[in-house]
Amino acid sequence: AIQMTQSPSSLSAAVGDRVTITCRASQDIRNDLGWYQQKPGKAPKLLIYAASTLQSGVPSRISGSGSGTDFTLTISSLQPEDFATYYCLQDYNSPPTFGHGTKVEIK
Amino acid sequence: EVQLVESGGGLVQPGRSLRLSCAASGFSFNDYAMYWVRQAPGKGLEWVSGISWNSGYIGYADSVKGRFTISRDNAKNSLYLQMNSLRTEDTALYYCGKKMSTAGTGWGAYDYWGQGALVIVSS
Repeated sequence: AIQMTQSPSSLSAAVGDRVTITCRASQDIRNDLGWYQQKPGKAPKLLIYAASTLQSGVPSRISGSGSGTDFTLTISSLQPEDFATYYCLQDYNSPPTFGHGTKVEIK
Repeated sequence: EVQLVESGGGLVQPGRSLRLSCAASGFSFNDYAMYWVRQAPGKGLEWVSGISWNSGYIGYADSVKGRFTISRDNAKNSLYLQMNSLRTEDTALYYCGKKMSTAGTGWGAYDYWGQGALVIVSS
């Protein structure tokens, strides 16, 4: 199975900060990557698919980039509702595999 | 409105079986691939299994292959996960969800998720 290495595992940031989360795949996955946000006690929410396409209803301060093996999720100006855990998921081949998550906490 | 409602979770002893169900509404169920993802307490997400719209393509995580069976009944708008030979490490919240698009051959992105069914495997 493809391994997804996500970093950092956690970070502290202030409202208004720019935040970057990365995922590295163990092999080329083209752009078959999505990003999900999960808040405590809630199901994950799709933010980005196909590496850089913003899901409907997701604010434009959130963006994704990358292809091949290296991918980035960026929040340009962190808002209070963005404090959550973020996961990448590759669907290039089966089984799909998640990164281990990045918890974004309030500084 | 898309709704996915899981049921069938509970406390079960190691080695026993359990069947999860997911009732879907608000979309054309028989057009979309569906999947199960689980989350152990305090841990990350793990993809468990997926099934194509017509059950023609099925996939499993290595951790459940040979023990779990995914199925669907398009006439009943329902997804199932039969879990046999359960282990303590199968303890988790099990989410069902739908693939975002009917296009493409991969498992794709997942745009709707249920609230989860809790499975606890313990003696």
